[in-house]
Amino acid sequence: GEDVEQSLFLSVREGDSSVINCTYTDSSSTYLYWYKQEPGAGLQLLTYIFSNMDMKQDQRLTVLLNKKDKHLSLRIADTQTGDSAIYFCAESKSSGTYKYIFGTGTRLKVLA
Amino acid sequence: DARVTQTPRHKVTEMGQEVTMRCQPILGHNTVFWYRQTMMQGLELLAYFRNRAPLDDSGMPKDRFSAEMPDATLATLKIQPSEPRDSAVYFCASGNSGAADTQYFGPGTRLTVL
Repeated sequence: GEDVEQSLFLSVREGDSSVINCTYTDSSSTYLYWYKQEPGAGLQLLTYIFSNMDMKQDQRLTVLLNKKDKHLSLRIADTQTGDSAIYFCAESKSSGTYKYIFGTGTRLKVLA
Repeated sequence: DARVTQTPRHKVTEMGQEVTMRCQPILGHNTVFWYRQTMMQGLELLAYFRNRAPLDDSGMPKDRFSAEMPDATLATLKIQPSEPRDSAVYFCASGNSGAADTQYFGPGTRLTVL
């Protein structure tokens, strides 16, 4: 199938690290993405990783990609209350059609 | 600060009425997407265009939905007639093919059909 799976909820304390996980199915995906959605807003592109990389770091964000297990994770260091949102992973379709398959989203709640 | 804009942000209408949603993609982007988001179904791709030509509208109910790009700065999504099950948030996104296939989303149109 074409499922991208994420756990539904994650709760962390302010200042801790958050790790949001995602498993995907298309081993030939070229790019994988992380988006953030705050209440009442659109999806904001946070970062993406090319499939021939296994790690990408961008300030407080670290993306890890395990192609063998088709597992993607997003680590947020020093999590702040402003990081509370829904996080979606997505994979681009391999056929060059530029279509994404989105995960179900993980709701991150940061406790003060 | 380039961004995708969508109008209206909110729309309440009665069943059977026509609804038109508009999107202005980021200037220079050649690919435009329409998505629908509901609690039950999550994010669904309805249609997308490249260089104003429709590439895929298989996610769209053909009998009542239509999507067009009259020019490079405007994409429209029309529902006629609308039904209560169309109530959702509709997002437009734009991107450039080849630029890591990244998509940039607008703020969405929240549609309520009574």
